[in-house]
Amino acid sequence: DVQVEESGGGLVQPGWSLRLSCAASGFTFEEYAMFWVRQAPGKGLEWVSGINWNSNTIAYADSVRGRFTISRDNARNSLYLQMNSLRVEDTALYYCAVDVYGSGSPSLGLDYWGQGILVTVSS
Amino acid sequence: QSALTQPPSASGSPGQSVTISCTGTSSDVGGYNYVSWYRQHPGKAPKLMIYDVIKRPSGVPDRFSGSKSGNTASLTVSGLQPEDEGDYYCCSHAGNDKYVFGTGTRVTVV
Repeated sequence: DVQVEESGGGLVQPGWSLRLSCAASGFTFEEYAMFWVRQAPGKGLEWVSGINWNSNTIAYADSVRGRFTISRDNARNSLYLQMNSLRVEDTALYYCAVDVYGSGSPSLGLDYWGQGILVTVSS
Repeated sequence: QSALTQPPSASGSPGQSVTISCTGTSSDVGGYNYVSWYRQHPGKAPKLMIYDVIKRPSGVPDRFSGSKSGNTASLTVSGLQPEDEGDYYCCSHAGNDKYVFGTGTRVTVV
């Protein structure tokens, strides 16, 4: 069975850092592009960042560029999101998602999702 | 990167059809045939319903169909069923390996 599980969330103060992890299993992790999508409480989905299978292509939303860094370790079947200089507006449920159908940018089809991990930024 | 525009809500009776629009610009929806649609039930992760404007993933019923005209993409759900209720989001490629989601539409089966 496919499993995608996020970890590393929590409550932090503005300006602090946090590192999210996403552990994947049940599929060939190294073959797929991976993404982070977030959802603020009661709000819609927001694309945060994506990384292709070999880390050669990385992209960020304007709202996080320069503060967040996406990375992956194919040997560990893991995806990461290093979040620095966190702001109150970064408070959200962060989903890790797998581009199963997209076959790489620009096509996108996120078919495996984790249950999300909550990040709360508050003083 | 402004969110794509979707109507806040849509509804239909069981068996009827509902169509949700997703309006962007020539820099996203209008510029690429790479629009996907996701359904999200309360408290759950999103589920992929359509990708590449018109393609259905394995296991998604053919009651779900996608289309695009100009800067507007659409998702049509035919033969509405109670489980079709939920929040629907479109997502489009926006150039330079970036993506943008829509504002979301709550579909109610009345």
